[in-house]
Amino acid sequence: SQQGEEDPQALSIQEGENATMNCSYKTSINNLQWYRQNSGRGLVHLILIRSNEREKHSGRLRVTLDTSKKSSSLLITASRAADTASYFCAPSTGNQFYFGTGTSLTVIP
Amino acid sequence: KAGVTQTPRYLIKTRGQQVTLSCSPISGHRSVSWYQQTPGQGLQFLFEYFSETQRNKGNFPGRFSGRQFSNSRSEMNVSTLELGDSALYLCASSTRENVGYNEQFFGPGTRLTVL
Repeated sequence: SQQGEEDPQALSIQEGENATMNCSYKTSINNLQWYRQNSGRGLVHLILIRSNEREKHSGRLRVTLDTSKKSSSLLITASRAADTASYFCAPSTGNQFYFGTGTSLTVIP
Repeated sequence: KAGVTQTPRYLIKTRGQQVTLSCSPISGHRSVSWYQQTPGQGLQFLFEYFSETQRNKGNFPGRFSGRQFSNSRSEMNVSTLELGDSALYLCASSTRENVGYNEQFFGPGTRLTVL
């Protein structure tokens, strides 16, 4: 399956700490995207990193991509209670996304 | 600009019935994708439409079907409902034909419960 696999499945941290989530996939991709989902709602796009990029930043988010290891990581710095959500990686071949089951992040105030 | 809207937001059906869900994409978006989300399986891709044509289809039985209208609004239909069809159904729209190259904008979803 080309589905992205996030690790860990669940993560609990204190407010102000950094949160790191990892994603692995199995085939060649054009890009990889990260999305956030607040409980039972629609997904919100966070960041897109193309296959020829290694690192990308957006505000408190830092994403890395290692195509040789077929893996990506999402770092959220100085976490806030409002960051509590599920985070999904979506590797894409260009025609389709392959979401995984997500990482559930809980930020404790 | 209005976001992606999905109707209804909640739906309760019984086994054997059929259901139709509706999705209105962001104005100007011509690609609409549908996903099924369950706790155990995560987000599973159902199908994607662009300019009224189904361009991609996920690994779901024929009971799941969809269509897109000339105004880009899309509907999906599930016939002969099974208990396992209980899920959050998400619709997403995108601007371009090759949906995977761009971000997708998701609607709030329709929560379907099959009893």
